[in-house]
Amino acid sequence: EAGVVQSPRYKIIEKKQPVAFWCNPISGHNTLYWYRQNLGQGPELLIRYENEEAVDDSQLPKDRFSAERLKGVDSTLKIQPAELGDSAVYLCASSSPPGQGGNYGYTFGSGTRLTVV
Amino acid sequence: QKEVEQNSGPLSVPEGAIASLNCTYSDRGSQSFFWYRQYSGKSPELIMSIYSNGDKEDGRFTAQLNKASQYVSLLIRDSQPSDSATYLCAGTGGSNYKLTFGKGTLLTVNP
Repeated sequence: EAGVVQSPRYKIIEKKQPVAFWCNPISGHNTLYWYRQNLGQGPELLIRYENEEAVDDSQLPKDRFSAERLKGVDSTLKIQPAELGDSAVYLCASSSPPGQGGNYGYTFGSGTRLTVV
Repeated sequence: QKEVEQNSGPLSVPEGAIASLNCTYSDRGSQSFFWYRQYSGKSPELIMSIYSNGDKEDGRFTAQLNKASQYVSLLIRDSQPSDSATYLCAGTGGSNYKLTFGKGTLLTVNP
């Protein structure tokens, strides 16, 4: 079974430029998450999707960040314009509804390391 | 703000020793807890989950949960150099699938 696939793996852009990240979740996982991980910190949730609906985007900086999950499968996270402080690893994760035993564990993709210069 | 706190480390143990990683959480509504391992430059990998008070063992790993004390721990027995990584504690509450992560503890196992 393929895991969560993200691209690109690395991205270097100049400040004020736009950038987009793509995520393909595990087949059958209807919940998709975008997290941001700064150096030396734990991941922080940006947005959570249930199918195609964004059910928690309270931590998404909406002035410059946007996301979409058309058809409830792949998702794209966009930053426009990028700022120096956006340099981080952007992680996508997916999960299925918990079965018996309540397993909420996520599976993370390999992440996109963004450097804004 | 709901928080998950981890002892910042770094933690260094000799090969074969027991490594003890600790985590506290502020949200009494949190019900499920997870330990992730993250190698440098890699994404987090789920290694343990625990939902009930007490201990849960999986091979060399034991997770412990004490909801009254709002405390979660991970013990790694017979530590190996390959266990050297950052360990992230995370918790979630009820039907909310959102995981809140701690900052992580860097573990180094010395040969």
